[in-house]
Amino acid sequence: EDQVTQSPEALRLQEGESSSLNCSYTVSGLRGLFWYRQDPGKGPEFLFTLYSAGEEKEKERLKATLTKKESFLHITAPKPEDSATYLCAVRGVGGYNKLIFGAGTRLAVHP
Amino acid sequence: GAGVSQSPSNKVTEKGKDVELRCDPISGHTALYWYRQSLGQGLEFLIYFQGNSAPDKSGLPSDRFSAERTGGSVSTLTIQRTQQEDSAVYLCASSRSADTQYFGPGTRLTVL
Repeated sequence: EDQVTQSPEALRLQEGESSSLNCSYTVSGLRGLFWYRQDPGKGPEFLFTLYSAGEEKEKERLKATLTKKESFLHITAPKPEDSATYLCAVRGVGGYNKLIFGAGTRLAVHP
Repeated sequence: GAGVSQSPSNKVTEKGKDVELRCDPISGHTALYWYRQSLGQGLEFLIYFQGNSAPDKSGLPSDRFSAERTGGSVSTLTIQRTQQEDSAVYLCASSRSADTQYFGPGTRLTVL
C-alpha cells in the first residue's frame, strides 16, 4: 500500500535558522513526488514536483531533493512568511492520478 | 489566470440533511479531483474524473457520498444524510491530464 510519512510534525525556527523537513514514502512505481504549502484556511499551493532519485528543485529559500526512499525540503535562512504547513504527496503507478498525502509538517518561523 | 474556485466557502448543516458542494476547475483542465481534509489529518482522496472516462470512485467513504461532473467542467460533490464525522474541509483540484494538481480554497463543512 502506498504510504507517506512526514517528520517532524511541527518545527519552530528562529528567523535565519536553516533546517530540513523529511518525507519518507513507499509507493509502487513512483510517478512523482509533490511538495505543497498550505496556509491556514486555504487550499494547498503547489511548490515542486520531483520524478527521479537525485533530482533537485529550488525556489527562493526552498530546495527539494529526492532519493529512492525519501525527500527533503531544505529551508535556508527562513523568514516569518515561510510559516505554513508543508505537505508531501506521491503518485504511484497503480493509483491512476490520485495523490497520497502525508499529514504535513507545521513550520513556525519567529523573528 | 483564474484558479480553481469552490462554493460555498463555509457550510453549516444539521445532521441528516443533504449538502452539495461545487467546484469550478481551471479552464482547459481535463482532470478533476475531490479530497477531504479532517482536523489534524492529511488529505484523503475521494474521487477522480478524467475527461469522458468512468470516474475513479475508490476513495468515497460510503454510499452517502456521490459526485458528478457536467460537461467536462463543473463538478458537484453531494453528501446525503450528513453525519457529524463528515465535518471536514473538502478540497477540489484540477490538472491537465496527468499533470500537477492545483487546489481550490476548499469548503469547510460543519455538521451539527
